[in-house]
Amino acid sequence: GQSLEQPSEVTAVEGAIVQINCTYQTSGFYGLSWYQQHDGGAPTFLSYNALDGLEETGRFSSFLSRSDSYGYLLLQELQMKDSASYFCAVKTGANNLFFGTGTRLTVIP
Amino acid sequence: GAVVSQHPSWVICKSGTSVKIECRSLDFQATTMFWYRQFPKQSLMLMATSNEGSKATYEQGVEKDKFLINHASLTLSTLTVTSAHPEDSSFYICSARFGQGTGELFFGEGSRLTVL
Repeated sequence: GQSLEQPSEVTAVEGAIVQINCTYQTSGFYGLSWYQQHDGGAPTFLSYNALDGLEETGRFSSFLSRSDSYGYLLLQELQMKDSASYFCAVKTGANNLFFGTGTRLTVIP
Repeated sequence: GAVVSQHPSWVICKSGTSVKIECRSLDFQATTMFWYRQFPKQSLMLMATSNEGSKATYEQGVEKDKFLINHASLTLSTLTVTSAHPEDSSFYICSARFGQGTGELFFGEGSRLTVL
């Protein structure tokens, strides 16, 4: 079977740094994506890693280690608006994206 | 950026009726669209892959006769929940990929279905 594991909940203080981990076991692997979803809203794309290493986009960075089947999303200078659910997703084929269980991030003052 | 629009955002219907949800790619052509279902505080579960001009590909466990998918044009896919029951109440989200090579999907706003 296929599985993506993420922590279910994370709480962090405004202005701090938080790391959300994702480990995966899938039948195919093209790359790892991260999506943000606010309550009641649609997921929005944050990042995609096809190769090992760190990708930085503003306050958000994403890391991938294919040999370890592991990745993480790093959020810096946390803001209240970053409170949301974050999903990792593995691209398992040309048209297939398999989502993780999601991590609910709560940013507190 | 690419935009995917979904309609309606909210729908309440009586048990036994059918409901149609539309998904449109507004500024690009999408030969493939995806339909997801999401229960409260849970992940997105892929229901089916909608292919323009051909039959949809359903994931294991998804009843194709209950969830009818039509992808008649390069910018429109529809999901019809037939003979809806309360257990079909959920958040349905469509998505489309703009171009190839990345893991980026553009999602519609989602449609929250409540079956009474």
